[in-house]
Amino acid sequence: RKEVEQDPGPFNVPEGATVAFNCTYSNSASQSFFWYRQDCRKEPKLLMSVYSSGNEDGRFTAQLNRASQYISLLIRDSKLSDSATYLCVVRTVTGGGNKLTFGTGTQLKVEL
Amino acid sequence: GAGVSQSPSNKVTEKGKDVELRCDPISGHTALYWYRQSLGQGLEFLIYFQGNSAPDKSGLPSDRFSAERTGGSVSTLTIQRTQQEDSAVYLCASSLVGRVDGYTFGSGTRLTVV
Repeated sequence: RKEVEQDPGPFNVPEGATVAFNCTYSNSASQSFFWYRQDCRKEPKLLMSVYSSGNEDGRFTAQLNRASQYISLLIRDSKLSDSATYLCVVRTVTGGGNKLTFGTGTQLKVEL
Repeated sequence: GAGVSQSPSNKVTEKGKDVELRCDPISGHTALYWYRQSLGQGLEFLIYFQGNSAPDKSGLPSDRFSAERTGGSVSTLTIQRTQQEDSAVYLCASSLVGRVDGYTFGSGTRLTVV
């Protein structure tokens, strides 16, 4: 079983739609959680951290359910510019320090 | 520097040759990571340096891969006797130890082994 699992998509949605991505992780000792965004042929960039209480940043809402080891990202009023791959990321503390483990990503295509 | 700098941005090499990839992290970032991403795949962890601690090499796929970090700053990833399956984008990231937010990535080195 992969440490971090995501539906690869693609999710094809019309502009203005609401779309949700889910992610599950296997290591119950994981400590921090993030969503990264990766545009085609570009490096990943941090979109937002995910907090236990849930958090919102404009049109983006992230939620964490530690009991179910599940993370979600909700995008409201999607824009063409939201088209990208969204990576679910989990931080664990190892003997040597911190390590981020990335999911393979969910591809979003927002269409006119 | 302002961001994580990687060089070269593109490298084409012949099978069997050695290559060196360079990463210059953000000034003051003591943690440095190497990942690779094959076409259409997720990020695969390779190696992690944190300060003066022994690096976590658990992700290196074979003994042809090695990395070092000199003076706690610049890192070099070396691949010996390259194979076609080594073709990928090699990404370096850095972070401040103790920060709970994520990494900052460089723009990567696209390696093609022909």
